[in-house]
Amino acid sequence: DGGITQSPKYLFRKEGQNVTLSCEQNLNHDAMYWYRQDPGQGLRLIYYSQIVNDFQKGDIAEGYSVSREKKESFPLTVTSAQKNPTAFYLCASTETGNSYEQYFGPGTRLTVT
Amino acid sequence: AQRVTQPEKLLSVFKGAPVELKCNYSYSGSPELFWYVQYSRQRLQLLLRHISRESIKGFTADLNKGETSFHLKKPFAQEEDSAMYYCALDPSNTGKLIFGQGTTLQVKP
Repeated sequence: DGGITQSPKYLFRKEGQNVTLSCEQNLNHDAMYWYRQDPGQGLRLIYYSQIVNDFQKGDIAEGYSVSREKKESFPLTVTSAQKNPTAFYLCASTETGNSYEQYFGPGTRLTVT
Repeated sequence: AQRVTQPEKLLSVFKGAPVELKCNYSYSGSPELFWYVQYSRQRLQLLLRHISRESIKGFTADLNKGETSFHLKKPFAQEEDSAMYYCALDPSNTGKLIFGQGTTLQVKP
């Protein structure tokens, strides 16, 4: 079954703790993206990676970090420096960095208290 | 600044009525524009993109560079069209999408 998987679906953490969200794809896509979805604000780009071992900041990268050690995997770490981490996080991938269709994962809802 | 604006949070129509979901963008170059849709309990997925000029599920969208708009239209709404719709802009052709705030379309029977 091909596609993008994100785990877990729901995640709860205490304030001050770092947390890592998983994103895996078996579509053989080069480019991967992390978005944050907040009510009334649409999706905002956190980080993106167009090739293994390379990634770039998006519009709201502060308080987040990523790695891209394998083509299939693009984990996102929400650090304690992120001021408002409670949100719905979406991972996506596409064949190249060009304007092709982005395929989205099911998302992870992170709640920090 | 590059921006996408969807002025309506919620659009409610009756089945069989025409639908127009508005999208305006601000970008000085030649834009790559998309509409993405999220049905209830499903993943966000591509509905259509302006470069392909196709009609998907009866929806069309025309790029109007003069008005910097990319409105989504369907002549006769169906109940299964009820979903959240996002307009998105790729200003640099790198896949770095800029999304609008989204519009919830509610089609009443």
